[in-house]
Amino acid sequence: AQSVTQLDSQVPVFEEAPVELRCNYSSSVSVYLFWYVQYPNQGLQLLLKYLSGSTLVKGINGFEAEFNKSQTSFHLRKPSVHISDTAEYFCAVSSIQGAQKLVFGQGTRLTINP
Amino acid sequence: NAGVTQTPKFQVLKTGQSMTLQCAQDMNHNSMYWYRQDPGMGLRLIYYSASEGTTDKGEVPNGYNVSRLNKREFSLRLESAAPSQTSVYFCASSAQSEGEQFFGPGTRLTVL
Repeated sequence: AQSVTQLDSQVPVFEEAPVELRCNYSSSVSVYLFWYVQYPNQGLQLLLKYLSGSTLVKGINGFEAEFNKSQTSFHLRKPSVHISDTAEYFCAVSSIQGAQKLVFGQGTRLTINP
Repeated sequence: NAGVTQTPKFQVLKTGQSMTLQCAQDMNHNSMYWYRQDPGMGLRLIYYSASEGTTDKGEVPNGYNVSRLNKREFSLRLESAAPSQTSVYFCASSAQSEGEQFFGPGTRLTVL
């Protein structure tokens, strides 16, 4: 079984500042890792994913994440945020085998202040 | 190409009433999923269907049933709604090859 912990429920930052959203996971098997974004009153949209290979993955809207196997972490970063990045962000994992069910973290609400 | 569609968008039920949430995808995906989203709890898997003709329980299946009608459609049924089922419900689908799931816009359900 897998579990995901997002260490911050809310993160307020000023516009054009850098941001890091933290995610730790636990699993007894190899996993795929994902970050999804949910804008207000919408469904979830994939930001980026780690399947294998380079541990630094780049996604849409200038976001990137680094997979750290020894620390079982997959933190999301952006060097300069915009008002439009205000949303809820979810980290998720799935086993690389079987039905690939997603296990989600609790979510981090990112608020950008002008 | 509409992706994943869900109906209805909103629904209010009284305790004990039944209803079916509909989901369809046009991406020829094998796998489909139903999640519920509650504040502070992320998304939790209710049921999933790895392929046409199969369904399995997820983390929170009690009070729900599902039907994989064909490859495109996967419905979620509440036989006797309870206030604890007030939530936002999301349907998703995936090609099962790399795990990425595509989500519908959600159904906001209130049970009074």
